[in-house]
Order: sequence, then C-alpha cells, then structure tokens
Amino acid sequence: DADVTQTPRNRITKTGKRIMLECSQTKGHDRMYWYRQDPGLGLRLIYYSFDVKDINKGEISDGYSVSRQAQAKFSLSLESAIPNQTALYFCATSDLETGNGYTFGSGTRLTVV
Amino acid sequence: GNSVTQMEGPVTLSEEAFLTINCTYTATGYPSLFWYVQYPGEGLQLLLKATKADDKGSNKGFEATYRKETTSFHLEKGSVQVSDSAVYFCALRGGGFKTIFGAGTRLFVKA
Repeated sequence: DADVTQTPRNRITKTGKRIMLECSQTKGHDRMYWYRQDPGLGLRLIYYSFDVKDINKGEISDGYSVSRQAQAKFSLSLESAIPNQTALYFCATSDLETGNGYTFGSGTRLTVV
Repeated sequence: GNSVTQMEGPVTLSEEAFLTINCTYTATGYPSLFWYVQYPGEGLQLLLKATKADDKGSNKGFEATYRKETTSFHLEKGSVQVSDSAVYFCALRGGGFKTIFGAGTRLFVKA
C-alpha cells in the first residue's frame, strides 16, 4: 500500500455540487497538507494541519474546507464546485524536521463542468 | 517572503546529454532546499535535498549544491535517459513548516 493514499483518482462533477477528496497516510506524520497544481503555477497550498486539533488556511483557501478526522486522515471539500476549481489536487505529509521532505499522494484529477 | 524561481521549460535533450535546470531562491535564515520529480500521472517524489550551505545532494545520478553566496540550487545530471522525462520542482523549506515550490520545469529526453 502507498504511504499516502488519495481517493478518488479522477472525478468529474457538475458546477454547484459538493465534493469531498480524501487522503489517508501510514507515515505516522502529524503534519498534513492539501495542494492544488495548475499548469505553469506550480503547487499552491490550500490548507494545512499540524495535528488533529489544528487547521490552518493556506494561500488559496477560498471555496474550500477541510476536516482532520484522525492523525492519519485529512479530507478536502469543495462546498459548491465551480469550473475554475478544475485542477490536480495533492495531499502531502511531513514530520517536524525542516530538513526532511514531504511525502505526496498520487493526486486527484478533478474536473468541474 | 521566501520564494523560489526556476527556469522555464520545456527543456528538450537527446539521450546522454548533460542536464542543468537552474533554481534560485530568496529566503530569510537558513532554509533546506529540495528537488522533487513528478513522473506522468504520479505525485511528486523527493529526488534530493541539502540542508546547509555547500552541501551537495545526490540521487539517481542527479546532483545539486546548496550555494548560499549565489542563492542557487541548480540540478545537474551528466547523462540523461529517456526515463528521466518528467517535471522537476525546486523547493525551499524554511523555519516552521512551510515549503515553497517553484513552478516546475518539464524535461523531455529523446532517444
């Protein structure tokens, strides 16, 4: 099994629908992140969580919400999807050491029509 | 604030050519620097890292040296293969949690 698992891998949804993207990890890391990837823009941080009781907004949190259900689970919701939320979404985890990198999931490709 | 700038792509090379992808950064303090690679249809994977000035990170034939005087962390490989075709991201992680990613550079290697 992958260290960081994202579901679904692909999703097409209609404008105005609510959708949830899920992420689970077996790394034992406290810190979890949601990023969005758009061509030419790199990765932009949506939300991050340092532990179950800690949730923080990233640089592009508008239109998104998150839930940290357990140390290993961090879900991202789009309450009312819009076409410009069409993107590739990645979950990542890390430990406390700044010298260590992130572990990424395989991504969820979301299309809003 | 912290930032990372990497060369625009795509970069197209023939197999066995020498690769350089430039990356420069702006940061306060002493960040750690990373290169990640993203193969088609996959998430990012950590390729190499360096945590202090003059450190050289290396993995799978790729190398990058943390140059504080030029605020750079250029990625190099002496002889690329078709299987190296991917998108490469330079990244910086400073004090606290936050990692800043560059925009990514797509590499195409032709047989």
